[in-house]
Amino acid sequence: ETGVTQTPRHLVMGMTNKKSLKCEQHLGHNAMYWYKQSAKKPLELMFVYSLEERVENNSVPSRFSPECPNSSHLFLHLHTLQPEDSALYLCASSQARGTYNEQFFGPGTRLTVL
Amino acid sequence: AQSVTQLDSHVSVSEGTPVLLRCNYSSSYSPSLFWYVQHPNKGLQLLLKYTSAATLVKGINGFEAEFKKSETSFHLTKPSAHMSDAAEYFCVVSTGFQKLVFGTGTRLLVSP
Repeated sequence: ETGVTQTPRHLVMGMTNKKSLKCEQHLGHNAMYWYKQSAKKPLELMFVYSLEERVENNSVPSRFSPECPNSSHLFLHLHTLQPEDSALYLCASSQARGTYNEQFFGPGTRLTVL
Repeated sequence: AQSVTQLDSHVSVSEGTPVLLRCNYSSSYSPSLFWYVQHPNKGLQLLLKYTSAATLVKGINGFEAEFKKSETSFHLTKPSAHMSDAAEYFCVVSTGFQKLVFGTGTRLLVSP
């Protein structure tokens, strides 16, 4: 595996379900990010982990819970979501101390909340 | 605060003709600027980046962008469009604190 991988690629869940999205990076980076991409809206940064510590929580509802057990893995735990949470969730990684903060993205998980 | 404005939500070109996707930025200091491309059902791929070196930046797939400080612009160009260039393109500015600020995107349509 190379680059940034995300699983699952597609997820359909009910509002009472609990599910998790997984991201793994094989680039030796030490910062990881979750973004939400909704139709007709700019990409929204949700969470940033740098050196395995959360450094950004962009006013995201508590029904989204991130976890970063090590520098290569990032999870997004989901529970009691709303239909408006349906979106493409993108994971990215970069060097935490990179001068130009170039981020590498995974293919995303397409989430549908019924 | 840093921001970018993509001036066109959609751009349509014919295959073989030039491509111009416009982006203006706002930054209180010398910015790092990027163009990313997103093909349908795919993640974002970095096309090119400006990092205060050469103002004309060459990227992948024949794309290039020119940083013009006087115009606060970072337009993306390609001399000859290919059908495979049809995608959504995002102009992005780095805030320097591990945060990227994305534009709203420009959808490029390429007709035969």
